[in-house]
Amino acid sequence: EAQVTQNPRYLITVTGKKLTVTCSQNMNHEYMSWYRQDPGLGLRQIYYSMNVEVTDKGDVPEGYKVSRKEKRNFPLILESPSPNQTSLYFCASSPRDPALSYNEQFFGPGTRLTVL
Amino acid sequence: AQSVAQPEDQVNVAEGNPLTVKCTYSVSGNPYLFWYVQYPNRGLQYLQKYITGDNLVKGSYGFEAEFNKSQTSFHLKKPSALVSDSALYFCAVRDNDNAGNMLTFGGGTRLMVKP
Repeated sequence: EAQVTQNPRYLITVTGKKLTVTCSQNMNHEYMSWYRQDPGLGLRQIYYSMNVEVTDKGDVPEGYKVSRKEKRNFPLILESPSPNQTSLYFCASSPRDPALSYNEQFFGPGTRLTVL
Repeated sequence: AQSVAQPEDQVNVAEGNPLTVKCTYSVSGNPYLFWYVQYPNRGLQYLQKYITGDNLVKGSYGFEAEFNKSQTSFHLKKPSALVSDSALYFCAVRDNDNAGNMLTFGGGTRLMVKP
């Protein structure tokens, strides 16, 4: 089944404790992206990647890191999480840039992160 | 900079009645516009897009969206709402004429369809 998977789905952690949220897609997509969803703010893009070893900042990259060493994986890293990073996080993928090629993005199920 | 506004946090509709979920956008170039839907505890699912062409775009599940360039709007519509349409709807825009590959999402509108 074609899908985007994220792990973990739920995570409660404490300030300053490094964490990684994994994202994997099995559709051979070039484009991958991370968003955070907050009430009233919609989805805001954190980072995106056009292909392996190519990443770029989105609207709200501060406090996050990403890497794209393989096409299928795009982990989101919080080196020192803070309470303002408590949010619902979504990973997404598409065959190319979702606007240039008119292809819609496929979203993962989300990861709910709470930073105490 | 590009932006999207969804002026209504929630829209309430009776089943069988027409529905409209509003979206306005701001870009300096030509817009690519999208609608996504989010059901409880799920990721976003693509509904439809406007790139160019006819202003009335047919989408999935009986939805359509009307692009109005002069009003910079891209409202989502459906002639007859179903209870199963109840979900969170997001409008998104990309400025096709400017550098960068970002989609900007609106804040979302919760659609409640009552039997």
